[in-house]
Amino acid sequence: QSALTQPASVSGSPGQSITIFCTGTSSDVGGYNFVSWYQQHPGKAPKLMIYDVSNRPSGVSNRFSGSKSGNTASLTISGLQAEDEADYYCSSYANTISYFFGTGTKVTVL
Amino acid sequence: QVQLQQSGPGLVKPSQTLSVTCAISGDSVSTISAAWNWIRQSPSRGLEWLGRIYYRSRWHKDYAVFVKSRISINPDTSKNQFSLQLSSVTPEDTAIYYCAREGTSCFDFWGQGTLVTVSS
Repeated sequence: QSALTQPASVSGSPGQSITIFCTGTSSDVGGYNFVSWYQQHPGKAPKLMIYDVSNRPSGVSNRFSGSKSGNTASLTISGLQAEDEADYYCSSYANTISYFFGTGTKVTVL
Repeated sequence: QVQLQQSGPGLVKPSQTLSVTCAISGDSVSTISAAWNWIRQSPSRGLEWLGRIYYRSRWHKDYAVFVKSRISINPDTSKNQFSLQLSSVTPEDTAIYYCAREGTSCFDFWGQGTLVTVSS
């Protein structure tokens, strides 16, 4: 099972912007616009934050945005708030008719 | 609103079969506009997609390569639910197992998670 690569941790002060990168290959992230991002608080199930690279589901704050360049996708959180402190995971469809997840990034609000 | 309610034993002995069920409300397991997935999470292996089923005139099933020989995902249309069975389990299969609906190539609704421990 090949996981997508994310930084282990990212931190920022309230009000700042942070970006989390997710690196894959041309067989997954680079080959499809099917990258999604999930937020997970301790003891809870993951929550969908971004789908199809840059689309936000209804109810998700517009402080969350996504993009992709080549084999790397990114999630930006603007105007960082205390409630944003959580683990974040990327996911991508892959050409093996499967999904891969990222290694996860712990976001800390200083 | 779609809700997924999981049930299943929390402890399984090595070499036995793990079984978890996911009951669906607010949607249908037979819908032609979604797929139904199983995903697991452990500290050592992170999040892992295990497989999915979906109905498009007939039932389709896709499984992750690393569990393909041991996994079975099946629908139960009479109860509007689907189930995961993973055979020949080892302690490496200890994880939180989640069911999830797959909308447009993403997982938009998740079950609450079931911690399954493989131990004698």
